[in-house]
Amino acid sequence: DVVMTQSPLSLPVTLGQPASLSCRSSHGLVYSDGNTYLSWFQQRPGQSPRRLIYQVSNRDSGVPDRFSGSGSGTDFTLKISRVEAEDVGVYYCMQLAHWPWTFGQGTKVEVK
Amino acid sequence: VQVVDSGGGLVKPGGSLRLSCEASGFTLNNAEVTWIRQAPGKGLEWVAHFNSKTANGATDYAAPVRGRFALSRDDSKNTLYLQMSSLNTEDTALYYCTTGHAGCWGQGTLVTVSS
Repeated sequence: DVVMTQSPLSLPVTLGQPASLSCRSSHGLVYSDGNTYLSWFQQRPGQSPRRLIYQVSNRDSGVPDRFSGSGSGTDFTLKISRVEAEDVGVYYCMQLAHWPWTFGQGTKVEVK
Repeated sequence: VQVVDSGGGLVKPGGSLRLSCEASGFTLNNAEVTWIRQAPGKGLEWVAHFNSKTANGATDYAAPVRGRFALSRDDSKNTLYLQMSSLNTEDTALYYCTTGHAGCWGQGTLVTVSS
């Protein structure tokens, strides 16, 4: 199985400041159709996860533009340009290029 | 596009349970649906996948549930079912139905396996 490794596991942030979350995969995530299937999810406390980013860098509808995804190969990043209070929660990366789909262990974003 | 998952509950080890995923805004005969679970206080785990876009409606299951869980669908109700059998305490989790490569999530249905 493809192992997804996120870092850091805990990220204390100052409101209004940027944040950067890392996700590394044990295998490349380019599918046979040429697309790279790496998604990012946000899970606020007590809520269902919500997808923020798909195929590395595409924002889902309604996702604020302070969220951005980048990366290639086996190294991916989710950036929050200015953290707001509503961004507190756990962020997961997930690969959909290989079966079984696998998740990272999550990065908990909390306010300092 | 929306999915509503239901059917969770308390079941004894070795028992069975059937979860439902009712789709609206799209039809299951032209969709991919994925079940993902989250054990209490833990991360996310892919459980099962259904893809009606393939010729034979392909299904796949995660290793821990293969042979115990099975997907089926009722097109008249536009609903996908996850039949779970031989349940054990490690299956205790919140089960989410998702679609669109996990772009749309249900609210989750809690399965508790305990004696």
